[in-house]
Amino acid sequence: QKEVEQDPGPLSVPEGAIVSLNCTYSNSAFQYFMWYRQYSRKGPELLMYTYSSGNKEDGRFTAQVDKSSKYISLFIRDSQPSDSATYLCAMTSFNDYKLSFGAGTTVTVRA
Amino acid sequence: EAGVAQSPRYKIIEKRQSVAFWCNPISGHATLYWYQQILGQGPKLLIQFQNNGVVDDSQLPKDRFSAERLKGVDSTLKIQPAKLEDSAVYLCASSPRQGLVNEQFFGPGTRLTVL
Repeated sequence: QKEVEQDPGPLSVPEGAIVSLNCTYSNSAFQYFMWYRQYSRKGPELLMYTYSSGNKEDGRFTAQVDKSSKYISLFIRDSQPSDSATYLCAMTSFNDYKLSFGAGTTVTVRA
Repeated sequence: EAGVAQSPRYKIIEKRQSVAFWCNPISGHATLYWYQQILGQGPKLLIQFQNNGVVDDSQLPKDRFSAERLKGVDSTLKIQPAKLEDSAVYLCASSPRQGLVNEQFFGPGTRLTVL
């Protein structure tokens, strides 16, 4: 079993739709949770960062963490064609700081 | 502020050949990482440097991979000899210091194809 599981998709949605992405994990020591966006032929860039459980909102993006279920989510509201990318979840524990990544979900937003 | 620079961007070699990648981190960043990202997978950490010292190389295949960080700035990653399964994107990342998980900046990567 992989430490971090992420549905690779692909996911195709019309412009303006809500995009819902999620990851599950097995390591209960994980406390820091991140979402990265990776455009084609580019390196990942940090989109959202949360610590422990709860919600965090930044513009059109909302990250949710449910540590009891070992489940994290990213929602993109009012999706735009420019949101078309691969979204990677990543997480780490307090003492480790080594990032464990999911496989990434490829999202296409159709104009 | 200039980002993490990597070269070459693309490299095609035959198996058993050698290859080297170069990374120039963001100025002043003490921590440097090399990741391997195989198609359809997330990045996997190969090695982490703090200044010019190795912090973690537990997932580096040391029989064929080597890395160094001269003077705590630029870094090179070498594969010798390459295997087909080494085909991947090699990402370099840097952060101001160790432990800043939310301040890790990635370069564009070097896409390696081994034939």
